[in-house]
Amino acid sequence: GAGVSQSPSNKVTEKGKDVELRCDPISGHTALYWYRQSLGQGLEFLIYFQGNSAPDKSGLPSDRFSAERTGGSVSTLTIQRTQQEDSAVYLCASSLAVGGGYNEQFFGPGTRLTVL
Amino acid sequence: AQRVTQPEKLLSVFKGAPVELKCNYSYSGSPELFWYVQYSRQRLQLLLRHISRESIKGFTADLNKGETSFHLKKPFAQEEDSAMYYCALGDSWGKLQFGAGTQVVVTP
Repeated sequence: GAGVSQSPSNKVTEKGKDVELRCDPISGHTALYWYRQSLGQGLEFLIYFQGNSAPDKSGLPSDRFSAERTGGSVSTLTIQRTQQEDSAVYLCASSLAVGGGYNEQFFGPGTRLTVL
Repeated sequence: AQRVTQPEKLLSVFKGAPVELKCNYSYSGSPELFWYVQYSRQRLQLLLRHISRESIKGFTADLNKGETSFHLKKPFAQEEDSAMYYCALGDSWGKLQFGAGTQVVVTP
C-alpha cells in the first residue's frame, strides 16, 4: 500500500518568503508527526496531531511556524518569512494512533527546504 | 530533562566483526526506546523497539534501566548494515526525541 508522501520533495525559496509543506499520511492513521532534520540540530520534533487537533506545539521553533490538519488526513506545515536557519529536511510521520509502544511511526521521504 | 546521547558519530567495522552502537538516555518516567535506521537514499524506518524484545536483521538491543542505556548490537556485521542509526526516546504521546545518530560503515 501507499506510504506517507510529502510534497514538494525539494523547495528553494528566498529569505522572507512563505512556504507550505504538505504531508499525506497513510490512510486510517489518526496520528501525524512533523520533525525537522538539520545539520546543526539533528532530528527534532516539531508538532503532532491527534486527528485534526494539535495538543502539543511546543516543538515549533518560532511563531513563524504553524501547522494544520484537515479531515484527519492531509497536514500542511507553513513557515512564514523564512530565514536561512529554517533550511532543513522536514519529515512527516504517521501512526495508527497516538502513543509510543506498538504504534510504529512511518516516515515520509521528507521535503528539503533551502532558504537563500 | 529528557536526553538521548549517542557518543559515536561514526563507527567503522569490518564485515563479520561485532558491532555495538551506544545509546544512553535520561528520562524521569518509564522510557520507551527505539532504534531507527536510515539507509542511503531511503526513508527513516523503525529497526526495533525495546518493548518487543525482538531481533531484527540480527540486531538486538537491551534496555538497562540501571545504566540508562539501550545499546544496539549485532554479532556479525554485514555490508548491508551500513547506514545511519538513531536511538530515540518516546513519550506517552509518541513524540520521539532522537539522538544525534551514528553512521555505521561496514567494510569488506
